[in-house]
Amino acid sequence: SQQGEEDPQALSIQEGENATMNCSYKTSINNLQWYRQNSGRGLVHLILIRSNEREKHSGRLRVTLDTSKKSSSLLITASRAADTASYFCATVTGANSKLTFGKGITLSVRP
Amino acid sequence: KAGVTQTPRYLIKTRGQQVTLSCSPISGHRSVSWYQQTPGQGLQFLFEYFSETQRNKGNFPGRFSGRQFSNSRSEMNVSTLELGDSALYLCASSTLAGALETQYFGPGTRLLVL
Repeated sequence: SQQGEEDPQALSIQEGENATMNCSYKTSINNLQWYRQNSGRGLVHLILIRSNEREKHSGRLRVTLDTSKKSSSLLITASRAADTASYFCATVTGANSKLTFGKGITLSVRP
Repeated sequence: KAGVTQTPRYLIKTRGQQVTLSCSPISGHRSVSWYQQTPGQGLQFLFEYFSETQRNKGNFPGRFSGRQFSNSRSEMNVSTLELGDSALYLCASSTLAGALETQYFGPGTRLLVL
C-alpha cells in the first residue's frame, strides 16, 4: 500500500525555473527520502530528512518536512533539461529500512 | 566502487514458469532489499535480507521468495508466473540494515510474462 502521495502528478516547466513537488504521508515516520528515476530505470537517492529535521539542502535541492501536517516538499532550483525524470518520496517507519513509496511525480523540463 | 548489478536485465517468460533474478550489491554492503514496480501498483517492497537472514517481508504471495548468500549476493525467485508479475524488479543495497541507511538501487530486471 502507498504511504506517500505526491502532488502534482505531473509537472512541466521551462529550463531555469524552479520545480516544487509535494508529498503527504499517513503515519508517523522515522525519515522521509526523495528518489529520482529516469525512464523506468534504477532509482537514485537524492536526499534523506529525519523526522526531527525541518529542512535540508543538497546542491540545487531543498527539502522541507512538516511532521505536524505529515507532508514534505522537494524544491529543485534553476532546473535543467537533465532533471527530467520521475521523482518519488519514500517513508521509513520504525527501525527497519523498508521504503514505502508514493506514486511519483513526472517532471518535464523544457529546454 | 561498482554499483549494484542485476542480472538478467530483461526476461520474457510464459505463465506457469518460474524465474530467478540475481542481485550483486555494492562491495561491502550487507543488506539487500527487493522492490517490484508496476504501472498500477507503483513501487512495492518485497523483502529485505541482511547477513543471509530475511529481516522483513512485504505483502506478496508465497510464490515470491528470496535468499542471500554469504557474499551478500541475493536472488529472488518467482514460481508459477502470472501475467500480473510483469514488472520491473529493483534491488537495493546498503552497508547495514537500518532506517537511516542510504539505499543504492540497481538498474532493475524487466520481466515480461506472456
